[in-house]
Amino acid sequence: KAGVTQTPRYLIKTRGQQVTLSCSPISGHRSVSWYQQTPGQGLQFLFEYFSETQRNKGNFPGRFSGRQFSNSRSEMNVSTLELGDSALYLCASSLSVGRANEKLFFGSGTQLSVL
Amino acid sequence: GIQVEQSPPDLILQEGANSTLRCNFSDSVNNLQWFHQNPWGQLINLFYIPSGTKQNGRLSATTVATERYSLLYISSSQTTDSGVYFCAVDRNGNKLVFGAGTILRVKS
Repeated sequence: KAGVTQTPRYLIKTRGQQVTLSCSPISGHRSVSWYQQTPGQGLQFLFEYFSETQRNKGNFPGRFSGRQFSNSRSEMNVSTLELGDSALYLCASSLSVGRANEKLFFGSGTQLSVL
Repeated sequence: GIQVEQSPPDLILQEGANSTLRCNFSDSVNNLQWFHQNPWGQLINLFYIPSGTKQNGRLSATTVATERYSLLYISSSQTTDSGVYFCAVDRNGNKLVFGAGTILRVKS
């Protein structure tokens, strides 16, 4: 079974631009969540989707948005990029939400650099 | 929100040594997972362990939910065990709160 796939692996953008990151979960997994990892703040939850609906949202500004498609693939978008958005963005998938023994499986991440 | 504290922050071991990593959390949880982040940034799920004890090869974990802590044991460490170990928790679901991690360096 293929793991969680994130594209692209690296991105370089300039301030003010917008960016879209993609995540394909493990086959059969219906829940996708996104995390931001920075040296200063560590790993922080962005949002979680299940069956195309946002189930949870972290404490990030509205510039950060996401969506999930009917095939469970997910995208996240960051508009009006700021230098502080430079981070490793990690996507994780699990079978569903709130079930027992729900392990999260992470992709390799997208390293975003904002210049 | 829930606070997660991991200790020690840094650990240097000689190959073959054993170690114990600790995770304290501030509230009751239904979801606790341990992850290993390798030098390439990949987060590998080690255990889903909101309570009890589990073992997987040289790794084992114990969570004492009533006392709000979890321990990760690494025995006979190898250089490939190097990386950052994270504990992450949530009350109900997958909105995980991560600790700051323990950086482990295993020397040959």
